Amino acid sequence: QITLKESGPTLVKPTQTLTLTCTFSGFSLSTSGVGVGWIRQPPGKALEWLALIYWDDDKRYSPSLKSRLTITKDTSKNQVVLTMTNMDPVDTATYYCALSSRNWFDPWGQGTLVTVSS
Amino acid sequence: QSALTQPPSASGSPGQSVTISCTGTSSDVGGYNYVSWYQQHPGKAPKLMIYEVSKRPSGVPDRFSGSKSGNTASLTVSGLQAEDEADYYCSSYAGSNILFGGGTKLTVL
Repeated sequence: QITLKESGPTLVKPTQTLTLTCTFSGFSLSTSGVGVGWIRQPPGKALEWLALIYWDDDKRYSPSLKSRLTITKDTSKNQVVLTMTNMDPVDTATYYCALSSRNWFDPWGQGTLVTVSS
Repeated sequence: QSALTQPPSASGSPGQSVTISCTGTSSDVGGYNYVSWYQQHPGKAPKLMIYEVSKRPSGVPDRFSGSKSGNTASLTVSGLQAEDEADYYCSSYAGSNILFGGGTKLTVL
């Protein structure tokens, strides 16, 4: 059974850096073709893809957020970490991580709500 | 790149069929066979319903089908059931990144 779970702060202040961890089980991020992605969803709004890291350490970022994002993996810990700098209230959202196989996402974690407020 | 375009809402009565469109460009939907569809119930994580335009993951009812013509992909739900009421999002590979649509709220009347 494949599971993913997001963890990190629920509240961050404007201008701070957000660090989120995706801890997964049931697959290995060293297996060819496997990737883990991050997607967010502001309250009441649409999904937005953020970043993706593949088994070979290839990394892809949303062009509009690329300057603020860093994605890394720790294969031995079965974790993927996303950092987002210079947080703003518009970044308030539920952040999801998901297993990616050839550009789709399945399954998804339960999501974690991050609120940006002073 | 802009998000993919979906109608904000769609509806149908139980037993009917409804189709949701997803319009992109030749750089995303039209250029690759990597269109996927997700179902999201309130307060829940999205669930993959269709991948690679028309393929169904194991466990997804065959009432759900996908297709593509040019720069527009479509999700059809046949034999609507009450539990199909949810938000639906399309997604497409776009060369070096991934796009999502704005979402369609499907109401079962």
